[in-house]
Amino acid sequence: GAVVSQHPSRVICKSGTSVKIECRSLDFQATTMFWYRQFPKQSLMLMATSNEGSKATYEQGVEKDKFLINHASLTLSTLTVTSAHPEDSSFYICSASGTSGGSYQETQYFGPGTRLLVL
Amino acid sequence: DAKTTQPPSMDCAEGRAANLPCNHSTISGNEYVYWYRQIHSQGPQYIIHGLKNNETNEMASLIITEDRKSSTLILPHATLRDTAVYYCIVRVLNTGNQFYFGTGTSLTVIP
Repeated sequence: GAVVSQHPSRVICKSGTSVKIECRSLDFQATTMFWYRQFPKQSLMLMATSNEGSKATYEQGVEKDKFLINHASLTLSTLTVTSAHPEDSSFYICSASGTSGGSYQETQYFGPGTRLLVL
Repeated sequence: DAKTTQPPSMDCAEGRAANLPCNHSTISGNEYVYWYRQIHSQGPQYIIHGLKNNETNEMASLIITEDRKSSTLILPHATLRDTAVYYCIVRVLNTGNQFYFGTGTSLTVIP
């Protein structure tokens, strides 16, 4: 149990285009999903927290208009990198926590990550 | 959330126990200790978590000191596939509460 998927696993795009990354909880309902970014040889940096049906909460320094997050259902959250530039190239990882009272509420389960390269 | 301190790197011989320490001297009474690991180019994998009692599962054991200011993750018989970066995180138990990752310990299992 507790499987989280991401799509695509890697994407290459031209500078100025937008890229959408999907995060799905496959076998549990995720009240809260989180988005992280990781640069080479660095730790994970939390970008934002999203609750189903609510606006995402962004960490300090993360541009909400650049990184659009939608959490429309209990199993799907999307991150859209708008007008991507080469400095946005990174490894993007999502995670999910289960609904309160359920067996998956106590921790976060991570997706496999999406590697974005902006040319 | 409390800050954690981990050694940047460790080596362990294959088949031996790997003991990974973590200091969290400012931990609060309602904060749990979590351990995750990240194998290169993959998402983090949940290992174990606990509050104050020692915990064991199929992957590892978690030993938390009585004052809860430090803990040790034990991989009883390390294999080459355990080579990864191991992260110790403390946080309040709640679905909506965030994880903030530190720099972790890079464990290399040596044949």
